[in-house]
Amino acid sequence: EIVMTQSPATLSVSPGERATLSCRASQSVNSDLAWYQQKPGQAPRLLIYGASTRDTGIPARFSGSGSGTEFTLTISSLQSEDFAVYFCQQYKNWPPYTFGQGTKLEIK
Amino acid sequence: QVQLQESGPGLVRPSGTLSLTCAVSGGSISGTNWWSWVRQAPGKGLEWIGEFHHSGGRNYNPSLKSRVSISVDKSKNQFSLNLSSVTVADAAVYFCVRNGGHYGRNFDYWGQGTLVTVSP
Repeated sequence: EIVMTQSPATLSVSPGERATLSCRASQSVNSDLAWYQQKPGQAPRLLIYGASTRDTGIPARFSGSGSGTEFTLTISSLQSEDFAVYFCQQYKNWPPYTFGQGTKLEIK
Repeated sequence: QVQLQESGPGLVRPSGTLSLTCAVSGGSISGTNWWSWVRQAPGKGLEWIGEFHHSGGRNYNPSLKSRVSISVDKSKNQFSLNLSSVTVADAAVYFCVRNGGHYGRNFDYWGQGTLVTVSP
């Protein structure tokens, strides 16, 4: 099983600033990496797949990068609606699909 | 727009069987997509439980494989999850989801989730 590790656990950023979230895989997943956003009481929403491709309707301020074992989700200018928990997911080797433990992005 | 709705008991006794159903609208479970169950313990991360394809394909998380089964009712466009021998560790919000995105291995449509508590 591929273990996904996200850092930091909590990130405090001011609105309008840039946020950078990290995800590391225990072995290479090539570019088979997705990011999800989850707000309190809601289901996760797919943001990015293929490490860098935004899903339909996702704003351009969200960008993903990386390959192999190191990945980054960047939110260029934080809006109030962006404060949430973010999860990465690998789909290179399954079953099982595996997720990181999440990064909580909170208002500074 | 694909919509998914989970239903089932919110309380299960330890050693009992958790049974949930997911009703799908706006799309057919008999199409090309696979469909999954994902769970989230309170305040925790996401755990993939298993997936199915209407043609008969099934994949389960090895950590749960001995206790889990997914069944399908094509006539009702719904699918179900059974998890046996539950313990308090199985208490979670359970989501039914559609596999989509890249190679159909991401989760692009989600139900709202249903909370299952395990208690005597």
